[in-house]
Amino acid sequence: DVKVTQSSRYLVKRTGEKVFLECVQDMDHENMFWYRQDPGLGLRLIYFSYDVKMKEKGDIPEGYSVSREKKERFSLILESASTNQTSMYLCASRSAGTGSLSDTQYFGPGTRLTVL
Amino acid sequence: DAKTTQPPSMDCAEGRAANLPCNHSTISGNEYVYWYRQIHSQGPQYIIHGLKNNETNEMASLIITEDRKSSTLILPHATLRDTAVYYCIVRVSVSNFGNEKLTFGTGTRLTIIP
Repeated sequence: DVKVTQSSRYLVKRTGEKVFLECVQDMDHENMFWYRQDPGLGLRLIYFSYDVKMKEKGDIPEGYSVSREKKERFSLILESASTNQTSMYLCASRSAGTGSLSDTQYFGPGTRLTVL
Repeated sequence: DAKTTQPPSMDCAEGRAANLPCNHSTISGNEYVYWYRQIHSQGPQYIIHGLKNNETNEMASLIITEDRKSSTLILPHATLRDTAVYYCIVRVSVSNFGNEKLTFGTGTRLTIIP
């Protein structure tokens, strides 16, 4: 079974703090994703990575950065947390092959971040 | 990606089959139907996908109509743990660098009743 783990289920931070969210997958997937999920807004893509040290902006990258130093690990960084970054953060991974099955994304359990 | 329409909510008795419909009347010939679900406070979970043939795996069955304009996800013996929001997504199979993001609609909130 594919396993995607995230470093914390719940996190509370203060405005202005630097926040690191870690994601690790054990299936040797090339592609990894960070989404945030908010009521009424659905799932929104922040950044994704298709290889080590490679990254692409998603729809809402402002206020975030990412790091992919190893294939299995993809980190999301909030340089200076703000209250509007309070959200559920979801990491996902998938293999790089083409075809319908490789299009399946496997999600971690999510990190519910609250910024006070 | 083609638009999908799902009922906002459904109930099903525990042990019965849960049948979740999805309309995708504008689906293109190269678009697949995917189903994910999200249990409260957890990440989304892949269930099943198909192109035009019916599909079955250990979690569910997917029935796609002959004209491909609608589909039904079937959970054969629903349990309380199947209570979740179910998302039907229609999308082209992604190439290596394109169409990366997954977009969920509002889904169907399925409640399994004891």
